[in-house]
Amino acid sequence: GAVVSQHPSWVICKSGTSVKIECRSLDFQATTMFWYRQFPKQSLMLMATSNEGSKATYEQGVEKDKFLINHASLTLSTLTVTSAHPEDSSFYICSARDSRTYNEQFFGPGTRLTVL
Amino acid sequence: AQSVTQLGSHVSVSEGALVLLRCNYSSSVPPYLFWYVQYPNQGLQLLLKYTSAATLVKGINGFEAEFKKSETSFHLTKPSAHMSDAAEYFCAVSLMNRDDKIIFGKGTRLHILP
Repeated sequence: GAVVSQHPSWVICKSGTSVKIECRSLDFQATTMFWYRQFPKQSLMLMATSNEGSKATYEQGVEKDKFLINHASLTLSTLTVTSAHPEDSSFYICSARDSRTYNEQFFGPGTRLTVL
Repeated sequence: AQSVTQLGSHVSVSEGALVLLRCNYSSSVPPYLFWYVQYPNQGLQLLLKYTSAATLVKGINGFEAEFKKSETSFHLTKPSAHMSDAAEYFCAVSLMNRDDKIIFGKGTRLHILP
């Protein structure tokens, strides 16, 4: 149980295009999902917290107009990187909190984004 | 605000030797503490977590960690290292509040020497 999937697992796009990444909780309901960004050989940096049916809460320094987050259902959150540039290339990881357990987050396998 | 400090960005141990990865936390209220492992190009897998029950927590793959409030530490140990333990390990902290977020340490790369 408690499986989180991400799609796609990797994506290469041209500069200026938009990319959508999906995060799904497969066997549980997730009222809260989190989006992280990880640069090579570095830790995870929380970008935003996404609550189902409401606007995401962005961390300081994260551009909400560039990283659009939608959490339309209890099992799906999406992150759209708009007008991507090479500096947006990174490993994006989502996690989902099971509404039944306190503070345990289950992580997706990550999405490698490369912007040319 | 809570924070986590992992001592040593790289740790090397011989196969069969004791593994010790250090983590100190800072929190104004009782925290939840976690250890995660990450293999290359993969997401995070929970090794173990402390949620105010027993101070010695046993996790998967033979790992365990002890919560020491007096030392604000939550070090990860394994009695005998295996080659498959080579990975990145993250210590993380969260407040005992279901709406709060998890803050990660910078990570420690564990190398296993044959």
